[in-house]
Order: sequence, then structure tokens, then C-alpha cells
Amino acid sequence: KAGVTQTPRYLIKTRGQQVTLSCSPISGHRSVSWYQQTPGQGLQFLFEYFSETQRNKGNFPGRFSGRQFSNSRSEMNVSTLELGDSALYLCASSLEALSPATDTQYFGPGTRLTVL
Amino acid sequence: GENVEQHPSTLSVQEGDSAVIKCTYSDSASNYFPWYKQELGKRPQLIIDIRSNVGEKKDQRIAVTLNKTAKHFSLHITETQPEDSAVYFCAASGSYIPTFGRGTSLIVHP
Repeated sequence: KAGVTQTPRYLIKTRGQQVTLSCSPISGHRSVSWYQQTPGQGLQFLFEYFSETQRNKGNFPGRFSGRQFSNSRSEMNVSTLELGDSALYLCASSLEALSPATDTQYFGPGTRLTVL
Repeated sequence: GENVEQHPSTLSVQEGDSAVIKCTYSDSASNYFPWYKQELGKRPQLIIDIRSNVGEKKDQRIAVTLNKTAKHFSLHITETQPEDSAVYFCAASGSYIPTFGRGTSLIVHP
């Protein structure tokens, strides 16, 4: 099976702009999670979608939003970009929603966002 | 919420040595503990995981141990090779939100 894919791979924006990132999960996977990775903070959970519904949300401001389509593809949007939003944005897919029994998450290659 | 501490932040070893990375967690409800390896410029990849009903798991040169009472788990890599050089992340999950450690940069010198 093809792995998780993300587009675009690199993005340069200026402060105040907005950006949309896309993630296509592994075929058959229904859960998509988004993470922000920075050198100082490591991997921070943004949100998780399952069956087009946001099931879980991390501690990020409302400028960060997302959605999931009926084919499980997901997008995340960041509005009013700030310099601190520069990071690698990773999505991960798994068969089911994250649960205490838990499925393995498979990561995409990430989108490197630079905000100038 | 869950808090995961990972140590050391950097680990330098000679090829053939063993490497140990330790993580502690705070939420006793956590019951799934994966380890990811991220090579430079690449995506994190699961290398091994352990669930709370197991104390130890091995896969060739890699092993993970879990002490639920003390709330810590460790990654052990034996006979390290230069290709083991990467950043390793631990994570703890019990609720629906996984919490990651800040990563350990492992450097294996030939």
C-alpha cells in the first residue's frame, strides 16, 4: 500500500497570510492526526479526525483548524500566520481512532512551513 | 494531562556499544508506549511499541521495557551501528491524545 502523503512538502509564507496543508492517509485508514514539530517543543498534537469529525484537539489556538473529507483525506488550515508557526507539520494515519487499545500511527513526510 | 520526560537529549556511543533511552510518564491511565525513529529529513517511523500488559518486548537488536509502578519505560539498542544514528521519540497514550517526549539524538560513531 502507498504510504501517507502530504502536500505541499515545502511552503514559504509571510506573516498574516493563511495556509492550507493536505494529507492523504493510507488506503483504508480512517483516522488522521496532525502534529507540529519544532526543535524546541518536539512533537505537539494538533487534532485528530475520524469519519469527518474532529474527535480530539490539542492545546493550539483557534487559528489552527482542520477538516476531513469522506475519503479520509484531511486538510489543516492556519490563518493569520505568525513567525512562531514555522515548523514541520506532520500528519499520521491509523486504522481506527486513537484509543486506549490504540492502533499504530503511520506518519507522512511532513510539510515544512516557513513564515517570514 | 499527560507529561512525558525523555532522557538523555543527546547520546553519543561507539559502534558496537549499547544505547539506552529512558522515558517517564505521569498519567497512570496510559497503556500504550510506542517508540519512533526519525532520521534527518525523514518521517518518524515506528520501531517498537509496548502495551501495559507486557513488561518487555524484543525485536532483534531493539528492546523496550516497561515499569508501570514506577511509570517509566526504556528503549535498549544493542550492538549499535552507524545507521542507528537518528532522533528517537517515545510516546505515551492512554486517553485519545498521545504525548511525545522531546526526543533523543543518538549518534553512533564508526
